Amino acid sequence: QVQVVESGGGLVKPGGSLRLSCAASGFRFSDYYMTWIRQAPGKGLEWIGYISIDSFHTNYAYSLRGRVSISGDNAKNSVFLQINSLTVEDTAVYYCARYTWRDNWFDPWGQGTQVIVSS
Amino acid sequence: SSELTQDPVVSVALGQTVKITCRGDSIRNYYASWYQQKPGQAPLLLIYGNNIRPSEIPDRFSASRSGDSASLTITGAQAEDAADYYCHSRVNSGNFLVFGGGTKLTVL
Repeated sequence: QVQVVESGGGLVKPGGSLRLSCAASGFRFSDYYMTWIRQAPGKGLEWIGYISIDSFHTNYAYSLRGRVSISGDNAKNSVFLQINSLTVEDTAVYYCARYTWRDNWFDPWGQGTQVIVSS
Repeated sequence: SSELTQDPVVSVALGQTVKITCRGDSIRNYYASWYQQKPGQAPLLLIYGNNIRPSEIPDRFSASRSGDSASLTITGAQAEDAADYYCHSRVNSGNFLVFGGGTKLTVL
């Protein structure tokens, strides 16, 4: 069964950092890119960044560049999202999803992990 | 602001056909993919490429592209199709990923 499962969300104080994890299973991890997307309460989807597990090539949305970092562990079929200098605007559900460049689709998506930034 | 533009709200009568549109320059170069999201759930891939549906997606969902516009059509909308719909494409020479702002579909 092809699936991804996020973990690591929670309540964080402004200025803090968080590391989210995404565990993938059921597919050849190195054949795809893995992406992170977030959704603030009542808002739309926002792409954060991606990583190629094969080459560890990464790219990030301009709005978050400098505060986020995506890494991967091929042996554990996992990717990680590090977010620094959190503000209340980072409060969102964070999703991990498999991505393919050939046809430009995200599938599957994880169930999401909630991050709340509040003092 | 999103580089892909969607109408925020669209409504359709039960059993009728509705088209949800996504506009942006990147559509000229890259196929859009479409996602359905219901409250409290993760987005679900509906269609990608040249109108390709994952096996579990009903055939009442279809997609097309013309110029800078991509469309998702629901033929014979069902009550369970009430949801938010997002388009996706690639921008900036294809190195960046972007979503449309989303369309909230109401089935009357």
